[in-house]
Amino acid sequence: AQSVTQLGSHVSVSEGALVLLRCNYSSSVPPYLFWYVQYPNQGLQLLLKYTSAATLVKGINGFEAEFKKSETSFHLTKPSAHMSDAAEYFCAVSESGNTPLVFGKGTRLSVIA
Amino acid sequence: GAVVSQHPSRVICKSGTSVKIECRSLDFQATTMFWYRQFPKQSLMLMATSNEGSKATYEQGVEKDKFLINHASLTLSTLTVTSAHPEDSSFYICSARQPNTEAFFGQGTRLTVV
Repeated sequence: AQSVTQLGSHVSVSEGALVLLRCNYSSSVPPYLFWYVQYPNQGLQLLLKYTSAATLVKGINGFEAEFKKSETSFHLTKPSAHMSDAAEYFCAVSESGNTPLVFGKGTRLSVIA
Repeated sequence: GAVVSQHPSRVICKSGTSVKIECRSLDFQATTMFWYRQFPKQSLMLMATSNEGSKATYEQGVEKDKFLINHASLTLSTLTVTSAHPEDSSFYICSARQPNTEAFFGQGTRLTVV
């Protein structure tokens, strides 16, 4: 069975500081991995995805994530936080190209001016 | 990218009534759609997998008679919350996935049962 662990339910950074949101996964097969962002009372927007191509994945809004098989990790980073990055972030895994995603519990990112 | 449209975005209903939520894939055909439920400040929990032309597959603990799912066409899946009660109040999100790509999500429906 797949699972996702997001370390830290709440992360707070200063504007302009590095953003690091942690995600570790468990999967019995090579996984598909995703990061989504959710703003209040809205659906989820895809930030980036890993589907067995390049291990360093670049997404929208300056975010990127690196797939590290040895560490079973897929941490999300952004060099410089903006106020508009404040939102809830979800890491998700699926075991194939057409199965439902399994989500982590989410990390709320706050950005301090 | 592909678009999934969910309607309504917000609904308030009286206890004991039924509410239907629609999920449409606007620019692709989705043989499979997924319905999630999200409680405040929590993650998304998969409720069921909706299969076009066949019965939905429900996750353990989800009442199939309370949460009726119909996937009558390749672009439309509906979730009907029957005989709603206050504990059914939640944020419901649908998702559709094209093979080997990411999942696309609807805007979500905030259901409040009073």
